[in-house]
Amino acid sequence: GDSVTQMEGPVTLSEEAFLTINCTYTATGYPSLFWYVQYPGEGLQLLLKATKADDKGSNKGFEATYRKETTSFHLEKGSVQVSDSAVYFCALRNNNNDMRFGAGTRLTVKP
Amino acid sequence: DAGVIQSPRHEVTEMGQEVTLRCKPISGHNSLFWYRQTMMRGLELLIYFNNNVPIDDSGMPEDRFSAKMPNASFSTLKIQPSEPRDSAVYFCASSPGTGDYNEQFFGPGTRLTVL
Repeated sequence: GDSVTQMEGPVTLSEEAFLTINCTYTATGYPSLFWYVQYPGEGLQLLLKATKADDKGSNKGFEATYRKETTSFHLEKGSVQVSDSAVYFCALRNNNNDMRFGAGTRLTVKP
Repeated sequence: DAGVIQSPRHEVTEMGQEVTLRCKPISGHNSLFWYRQTMMRGLELLIYFNNNVPIDDSGMPEDRFSAKMPNASFSTLKIQPSEPRDSAVYFCASSPGTGDYNEQFFGPGTRLTVL
């Protein structure tokens, strides 16, 4: 079945460091891809999305590019802030409206 | 827009008791999803509804779990009888439609503790 595999955490970075969280997927057809963020004590919030190959989703300085050839959707940010500390989930939504989430990657940014 | 509303935010109960979790989706959304999040298993889809009709309940762990959506603005997830292993955070999410491009909007979750 369809699935998402993302980089295991936790990830700890210093403020202003470069962030990459890897995400790869397995799916039939042409899924839409998402990154969600979960701050402590809250529900998941959509961070960015891409609906077709080579699309780049971006928001709040985060970016991810839908790479069909490598079935990847890696999340990047050039300079992280303490306020970016959260759990990040990669997800796909297939043609059957099934949503699959990765296990989540906990990011801690230290001042 | 108030977003997805869940109640209660926290629930502590004893093993064997019935637990009912409630969700009000965003007005106008016609898809609703129930998830369970634990440290061990991560985020799991339990069931989802489209236009108040259950579409896929394959994620519901056991017959002790049941979900209903009597109308477009309300859904419940019931556990009867509850067990300690049901302790988790339960999220409700809604989506405008069933197309590939519709994001899901999550509620704040209900943290359930079964003693």
